[in-house]
Amino acid sequence: DAKTTQPPSMDCAEGRAANLPCNHSTISGNEYVYWYRQIHSQGPQYIIHGLKNNETNEMASLIITEDRKSSTLILPHATLRDTAVYYCIVRSANFGNEKLTFGTGTRLTIIP
Amino acid sequence: DAGVIQSPRHEVTEMGQEVTLRCKPISGHNSLFWYRQTMMRGLELLIYFNNNVPIDDSGMPEDRFSAKMPNASFSTLKIQPSEPRDSAVYFCASIPTGGGRNEQFFGPGTRLTVL
Repeated sequence: DAKTTQPPSMDCAEGRAANLPCNHSTISGNEYVYWYRQIHSQGPQYIIHGLKNNETNEMASLIITEDRKSSTLILPHATLRDTAVYYCIVRSANFGNEKLTFGTGTRLTIIP
Repeated sequence: DAGVIQSPRHEVTEMGQEVTLRCKPISGHNSLFWYRQTMMRGLELLIYFNNNVPIDDSGMPEDRFSAKMPNASFSTLKIQPSEPRDSAVYFCASIPTGGGRNEQFFGPGTRLTVL
């Protein structure tokens, strides 16, 4: 059962902000939104997560709508190394139930 | 820290042979996950352990697959007998004990080819 919906692919010019949308209209109150990315031939890499407030770290910003039914991952200054598949995942906040269910993600291509 | 270590990185075997994939989680991590990635099915969870105990093995495809975690620093995923449809990249991931359980740390994966 797909809990998130993402566009299959996006392009972004190098140096510009990349905005990746995600819909999670059935998210429940105890579920977080997580973002991971997978660069070709590597294991997935954690980017950021949030519950309802906007979050920022050294890699990205996460904007979650007030109704929590959608979110946007922002890479502020995209570089060629940001070319990857980006996965938006909703995950239970319950301790001991940290499994991730990956969808098909968004293939982001950074254009020189 | 060396991160999550998986071995072998590549494995080519013939149908019917036994295959054993190995994973060493990051020291101090008490939860371990095995994932499989194929073009057709994407990235899917096979099984995960908390404190060496299997918590959810609903993703294990069939009885040919088995996973063990004899101690906190080692896990194996075994396929016996292997079939061509088992060809995939198998990832292991771990998360730390207690606080900071938000980030799963993935290994580099084992690319399995069954001929």
